[in-house]
Amino acid sequence: EADIYQTPRYLVIGTGKKITLECSQTMGHDKMYWYQQDPGMELHLIHYSYGVNSTEKGDLSSESTVSRIRTEHFPLTLESARPSHTSQYLCASSDLSSGQPQHFGDGTRLSIL
Amino acid sequence: QKEVEQNSGPLSVPEGAIASLNCTYSDRGSQSFFWYRQYSGKSPELIMSIYSNGDKEDGRFTAQLNKASQYVSLLIRDSQPSDSATYLCAVNLDNYGQNFVFGPGTRLSVLP
Repeated sequence: EADIYQTPRYLVIGTGKKITLECSQTMGHDKMYWYQQDPGMELHLIHYSYGVNSTEKGDLSSESTVSRIRTEHFPLTLESARPSHTSQYLCASSDLSSGQPQHFGDGTRLSIL
Repeated sequence: QKEVEQNSGPLSVPEGAIASLNCTYSDRGSQSFFWYRQYSGKSPELIMSIYSNGDKEDGRFTAQLNKASQYVSLLIRDSQPSDSATYLCAVNLDNYGQNFVFGPGTRLSVLP
């Protein structure tokens, strides 16, 4: 059973607010990922990290930023939320060893009014 | 050409039938292959991993890998309405896990 936690599960907030989505894992995984997924659509990788102090942008351009100060924690921040940011955000982690799968948190469903 | 391709579906099968889900990938050097199930509004859940050519069975699920044809499939025997979900194929495109790519998913509907 994967131990990866995302908070909040749901967030409804007004335009222009600063938002931080939390993601923590207790498996000691080096690699962590953020995906964005709209209903019925495919996953889009927006950020990933190979370990502490490593952050990379994914395939989908995003106005969000991430940080990796601790192995277990990979928060995603939107400085000024807009309605176009409304989506589901999924965090995942995997072991650095080759051939290991990703394990997902329950996701955060974000709605910007 | 996308790196990992799947038919988007929906694939509809009657209850009790075998559902066959297919996935092709572009990189011959790919080493690791995974199937995830995603219920509507939920996050993807790993259901199968396969690393070598041939079949791997786990309960009602069988994953099949053919590296020469760059093809991986998932068979679901005795399909149940609870199997209705989107199935995502994922591939590690190199041996170092640095290029992990998800397909777009196939939506499966099992009709009672």
